[in-house]
Formats: sequence, C-alpha cells, structure tokens
Amino acid sequence: AQKITQTQPGMFVQEKEAVTLDCTYDTSDPSYGLFWYKQPSSGEMIFLIYQGSYDQQNATEGRYSLNFQKARKSANLVISASQLGDSAMYFCAMRVMPGTASKLTFGTGTRLQVTL
Amino acid sequence: AAGVIQSPRHLIKEKRETATLKCYPIPRHDTVYWYQQGPGQDPQFLISFYEKMQSDKGSIPDRFSAQQFSDYHSELNMSSLELGDSALYFCASSTGTGGAGELFFGEGSRLTVL
Repeated sequence: AQKITQTQPGMFVQEKEAVTLDCTYDTSDPSYGLFWYKQPSSGEMIFLIYQGSYDQQNATEGRYSLNFQKARKSANLVISASQLGDSAMYFCAMRVMPGTASKLTFGTGTRLQVTL
Repeated sequence: AAGVIQSPRHLIKEKRETATLKCYPIPRHDTVYWYQQGPGQDPQFLISFYEKMQSDKGSIPDRFSAQQFSDYHSELNMSSLELGDSALYFCASSTGTGGAGELFFGEGSRLTVL
C-alpha cells in the first residue's frame, strides 16, 4: 500500500517570496507517479505538476517546480514568486503504475496563506 | 478543452433519502474514479471503473453503489443517507493505459444531508 505524508498543516508566505511545501511518500512499487494538486476555497481540484519515478530531471511548470529526491522518498513542491491567488489547500498525491487504472492516494494537505 | 462534468453541483437531502450523482468523463477517457472529501479532510477514494468494469474499491459504504455505462459516464448512487455523508464528491477521469497518469477532476458535487 502507498502512503503520502504532508507534515505542514499550514504555511504562511509573503507575496513574491518562494515557498516549499513538503511531501514524503512510501511505496514498494518501483513505478509510480507523484502529483501536486491545488484546491482553492471554491473546492475544485486543480492539477499543478507531475513527476514520474523514472524521470531523471525535476519537473517544472511555470512557477511550480517539484524537488524530487528519490532516495529520500520526498517530492516537495516549490512555488516561486508567490501570489495572493496561490492561497489555497495543496495536496500531494501518488499513483503506482501511472498510466494504468490505479487510484490516486492523497496526503492530508497543506493550507498555504500568501500575505502582503 | 472539454473537462469532467459532474451533476448536480449542489444537492440537499434529508436523512434516509437517496441521492444520485452523475459524472461525464473527458472524451476518450475510459477510467472513472469517485472520491469523497469531508469538511477539512483529504479526498478519500471510493471506487473506480475501467472500461465499464469495476477496477478498484476503497472505503465505499455498502449503502453506496456505482456503475459506468456504455458511454463511459458514471453514476454514484447513495441510499439511506446519513449526516456523515455530507461531503464534496469528486469524479475524476483518465486513460487507463498510457499517458503521464494525471487524473482530471470535475468541479465536484456538494452533498448536504440534513
């Protein structure tokens, strides 16, 4: 069984600063995918970034980057130049054998608040 | 681009009533997942379907049932509703094979049980 751990229930960051949201995972499957989703107060689940277990380079998508450290089983999300609109709940999630019909398992989330 | 469509977006029911949620996946997506997210909780996996067959089952109560139809849309039926069933219900879709494996989520159906 896979497990995702997010140890930061809440984080504050000032506008224009960078912030790192922590995520560690546990699985015995060699093939897996790691995801970050953003959930604003309106409730929808917005996909941000994906990292495959065999990807050699860290994933980046605009202001989002994923700091993937396979040996440490961590997949931290880095948001650069934070904006007020980044205030939301952030979930780290994992699928084993991505590309199959396997389910996504979520961590407990981190609530990010961007301040002026 | 077409997204995952869920209906209804909001639903209010009384205890012991029945509710049905519908999910229309992205065209050409053959896999549908249902998640339940209680207030302040992370999404919990309920059930999934691949090519109209149940592919995995999570913490879905026996009072709930679901199926995927020939056009790949899915319905989640909830009976004998309890106060604790009040939650945001997400449907997500993906291709069962290939791709990076991202699940595309609908906007959710918010169920309130009174």
